[in-house]
Amino acid sequence: GQQVMQIPQYQHVQEGEDFTTYCNSSTTLSNIQWYKQRPGGHPVFLIQLVKSGEVKKQKRLTFQFGEAKKNSSLHITATQTTDVGTYFCAGVGGGFKTIFGAGTRLFVKA
Amino acid sequence: NAGVTQTPKFRVLKTGQSMTLLCAQDMNHEYMYWYRQDPGMGLRLIHYSVGEGTTAKGEVPDGYNVSRLKKQNFLLGLESAAPSQTSVYFCASISGVLPDTQYFGPGTRLTVL
Repeated sequence: GQQVMQIPQYQHVQEGEDFTTYCNSSTTLSNIQWYKQRPGGHPVFLIQLVKSGEVKKQKRLTFQFGEAKKNSSLHITATQTTDVGTYFCAGVGGGFKTIFGAGTRLFVKA
Repeated sequence: NAGVTQTPKFRVLKTGQSMTLLCAQDMNHEYMYWYRQDPGMGLRLIHYSVGEGTTAKGEVPDGYNVSRLKKQNFLLGLESAAPSQTSVYFCASISGVLPDTQYFGPGTRLTVL
C-alpha cells in the first residue's frame, strides 16, 4: 500500500540556522500537503503542492514537489524560536486517501 | 462557523468497554477523516469518507467502525476497547475542491485501562 517516509525524525538547530525536512512516497501522488503541529495542538495546514516540480514560498519557508510527484521537501531559512514544532507531510493518492509521514520535530535553540 | 468539532475531549475507558467519538463540521465538506496519533508519532489514517453514506478503510482500521449518516457528522466507534487503542484521535475534513486544506478538530484524548 501507499507509504510516506519522512526524514529526519528530529532536528536540533541554533536560531538563525537553516532547516530541511524530506518526504518520499512509495507511489505517485495526486498532491502533497504540509502541516505544522505544536506540542499539545492539532495539525495546522501550511500548504498544498499539486504540480510536478512545483515550488512555493511562504516568507522563510520554501516547499518543493518533485518532478515525479513522489517526493517533497520543506526548507526553513534562518530559523526562529517560533518555528519550533513538528512538521508533517501528507501524501494524497487516488480517492483522496491521505497518508501522513511520521513527522520531523524541530528544536530551535536561542 | 465552528469549523471541526470533536466530542468528547477526554475519555477513560476500561478494557472491553465501547464508545463513540463524534466529529462534526459546519463547512459543508464532502470528505472526512479519522486519524490516531500515538506519542511522538505521526498521524495514521483509520477510516475516511468521501461523502454521506460512504466509508472506506485507512491504514489501521481494525477494532474501529465508522458511520457517515449525515454529511456534517462522522462517527468513530470502538466496540471493545483495548489498551492498544490509547491514543489521541483527530478528525479532519476537506471540501474536495483545491486547495484541499484539511481542517482538523482539536482531538480526543482516549485512555484505555
